[in-house]
Amino acid sequence: DAGVTQSPTHLIKTRGQQVTLRCSPKSGHDTVSWYQQALGQGPQFIFQYYEEEERQRGNFPDRFSGHQFPNYSSELNVNALLLGDSALYLCASEQAGQGTGGELFFGEGSRLTVL
Amino acid sequence: AQSVTQPDIHITVSEGASLELRCNYSYGATPYLFWYVQSPGQGLQLLLKYFSGDTLVQGIKGFEAEFKRSQSSFNLRKPSVHWSDAAEYFCAVQEYGNKLVFGAGTILRVKS
Repeated sequence: DAGVTQSPTHLIKTRGQQVTLRCSPKSGHDTVSWYQQALGQGPQFIFQYYEEEERQRGNFPDRFSGHQFPNYSSELNVNALLLGDSALYLCASEQAGQGTGGELFFGEGSRLTVL
Repeated sequence: AQSVTQPDIHITVSEGASLELRCNYSYGATPYLFWYVQSPGQGLQLLLKYFSGDTLVQGIKGFEAEFKRSQSSFNLRKPSVHWSDAAEYFCAVQEYGNKLVFGAGTILRVKS
């Protein structure tokens, strides 16, 4: 049973460019969340997708957008990259309906470096 | 807004010694609390969680945590640390919709 898989694992972009990160949730999971983990900090919630719609959003600008596909996989898009967007981007999946306190399963992350 | 504070950025313990990692939270209602571990190049792995009931919860890898409402704390403990426990540990509180609010993390170093 594959866990949460993310691609690419590492990438380098320059300021102003756009980036797309991808996530496949754990088998049986239908809800995907994205977190940003800057160096030396804990992960920060970006947004959550369920039934192909953004259900919750953290305190991130509109440059951060996402999408969820019918197979529950998800993409995170960041436009007009800034140096401060350099971080590890983590995807987490869960099964909707398990209620509050349900366990999130995390991928290994995509490390983005913006030069 | 909810917040989580992990006062110790780094902790170094000798192999075989006991460990306690501190976590304080700010939350209005009964919190749902978690401890995750992150090894280099790895994602986050759930160690344990607290929802209600017994304030001492057991997790994987021999870890346990105690919820103390009066101190707004949820400290992680292990009686005897192994070299493989070296990693970064994150405390988190869960908000509506299973969104997690994480602390800044504590890096554990284990010396032999």
